[in-house]
Amino acid sequence: NAGVTQTPKFQVLKTGQSMTLQCAQDMNHNSMYWYRQDPGMGLRLIYYSASEGTTDKGEVPNGYNVSRLNKREFSLRLESAAPSQTSVYFCASNLYNNEQFFGPGTRLTVL
Amino acid sequence: GNSVTQMEGPVTLSEEAFLTINCTYTATGYPSLFWYVQYPGEGLQLLLKATKADDKGSNKGFEATYRKETTSFHLEKGSVQVSDSAVYFCALYQTGGGNKLTFGTGTQLKVEL
Repeated sequence: NAGVTQTPKFQVLKTGQSMTLQCAQDMNHNSMYWYRQDPGMGLRLIYYSASEGTTDKGEVPNGYNVSRLNKREFSLRLESAAPSQTSVYFCASNLYNNEQFFGPGTRLTVL
Repeated sequence: GNSVTQMEGPVTLSEEAFLTINCTYTATGYPSLFWYVQYPGEGLQLLLKATKADDKGSNKGFEATYRKETTSFHLEKGSVQVSDSAVYFCALYQTGGGNKLTFGTGTQLKVEL
């Protein structure tokens, strides 16, 4: 059981470039989440998917899109990266209960 | 809306000192409460949780009691170790909130020899 995996671990982009962050879980969880973590801000929810086939905006969705590809995978796309999107991105998942399991994170720098 | 407030860090302690990290929350009804820990370079891990008033969550020597009357869930440990150095996040879950957690801003703990 790998739990929640994320790729890549590190990424450097130039302003205006696009990229997709990948997340997969092998725990048969229904819900998946994308957060960003910034100093002094804690974790802020970007988008979430309560179940396969559904996605909803979180607290800070602007500049991002998501795809729930299947039950296992939930990707986050930056169409035109901006320096304000420099952050650490975490994917998480859970079943019906409220404990979330987190991936190791992707450190993104936008120059 | 829901919110979680944690004490500012960093908190610096000597090994074997007593630890308290304060957490208070705002929510309607009876949310579930959590403490997560993030070690350097890693994702968050659940440390402990409590799902109803007066419950005490405990794990690895850490404890927190769900106090409805003071809307608090303070994290305590009697004797910290260098290996406890990490960032600690308080969080709450509210039924009907789309299965979402609300996090505090995190408190960094540094334990020195």
